[in-house]
Amino acid sequence: QQPVQSPQAVILREGEDAVINCSSSKALYSVHWYRQKHGEAPVFLMILLKGGEQKGHEKISASFNEKKQQSSLYLTASQLSYSGTYFCGTRVTGANNLFFGTGTRLTVIP
Amino acid sequence: EAQVTQNPRYLITVTGKKLTVTCSQNMNHEYMSWYRQDPGLGLRQIYYSMNVEVTDKGDVPEGYKVSRKEKRNFPLILESPSPNQTSLYFCASSSKPQMFSGNTIYFGEGSWLTVV
Repeated sequence: QQPVQSPQAVILREGEDAVINCSSSKALYSVHWYRQKHGEAPVFLMILLKGGEQKGHEKISASFNEKKQQSSLYLTASQLSYSGTYFCGTRVTGANNLFFGTGTRLTVIP
Repeated sequence: EAQVTQNPRYLITVTGKKLTVTCSQNMNHEYMSWYRQDPGLGLRQIYYSMNVEVTDKGDVPEGYKVSRKEKRNFPLILESPSPNQTSLYFCASSSKPQMFSGNTIYFGEGSWLTVV
């Protein structure tokens, strides 16, 4: 039930944009997005619930397409502080567990 | 301050020597969970607990045990550790999943475990 994330890694220059995708083979109730710096705990970014909502957090936003069972995380005008590994976590409809993808390593360079 | 506390943070142990990684949360959360993180594999769930005395297997439960005797604590037990259990372990907690709301999962700082 592990969701699939793409790309696995991306390198950006400061100010560039990136999109990270997360897809599931099962119907989703919610999608969570986290960012993790090396050796640290994952830090919560946002939750999206079924209903196709979109959320924003400064220059980081996300969408959730319930029909396609996928979510995308959008990072605009990237900053050095955005570097890290981004994980999506998915909760399947009717289940209580949260399954995480394998992560997308984002590196922002000057 | 709301937090999830794990101990030890770093441990090197030998094959077969039983060990316990403790996890405690101060947010009165019903749901607690253990994950292991390995390069290229992301976070994989070991066990989770919906409430006191209620535990269930996650994706990779083999070689691990858990118990949930109190709401705040959820220790992870490795009865006979092996080198393939060398990993970074995270404990996490959240309030009980509700049908029509999302619940943030709070992670502990992680425990680096090496089994030689």
